Amino acid sequence: KQEVTQIPAALSVPEGENLVLNCSFTDSAIYNLQWFRQDPGKGLTSLLLIQSSQREQTSGRLNASLDKSSGRSTLYIAASQPGDSATYLCAGGKAAGNKLTFGGGTRVLVKP
Amino acid sequence: EPEVTQTPSHQVTQMGQEVILRCVPISNHLYFYWYRQILGQKVEFLVSFYNNEISEKSEIFDDQFSVERPDGSNFTLKIRSTKLEDSAMYFCASRERLAGRLSDTQYFGPGTRLTVL
Repeated sequence: KQEVTQIPAALSVPEGENLVLNCSFTDSAIYNLQWFRQDPGKGLTSLLLIQSSQREQTSGRLNASLDKSSGRSTLYIAASQPGDSATYLCAGGKAAGNKLTFGGGTRVLVKP
Repeated sequence: EPEVTQTPSHQVTQMGQEVILRCVPISNHLYFYWYRQILGQKVEFLVSFYNNEISEKSEIFDDQFSVERPDGSNFTLKIRSTKLEDSAMYFCASRERLAGRLSDTQYFGPGTRLTVL
């Protein structure tokens, strides 16, 4: 059974600093990994999806990497802004079309 | 940009009552999902639905739960007799199909907050 963990649970950084968010998973037979952003009381906004055959994906200031052998994914957010303050969730899918297993999230606060 | 919509945004009900949560997935998407998030806990999978039938369900999705696609646009989750522990945010998600290969990104709606008293 896939378990997904995100440490730390909360992170506070000054504006302009690069953010590094960690996600670890127990089952290396992961099919894909998706990163989401969740604002308080809101839904989940998809940020990036990495297929198991890929090592990284980039979108603007965001870059996500995937290392199946070590069971880890990392989300980098360059030059953080106060608007980046949110909870970031990672979720792993075991097969095409399959359910996502979520981590507990990292709550990020970017201070002006 | 197309998005998944859910209604209502907040539902308050008495224990034992039936509730129906509604979702309108992105048009041309063919896979549909329900997840829930109890306050302070992880988002957890409930059920996936494809081609008018359940393709996978979790242990949470017992006989009290059912899903339906009553027409070409809506996707509903029914809880027959609500319990206090059903209080959570319920998210609908959908996934498209591109040229014979399924696109893997799941797009989530804003959620329905269910409060059972």
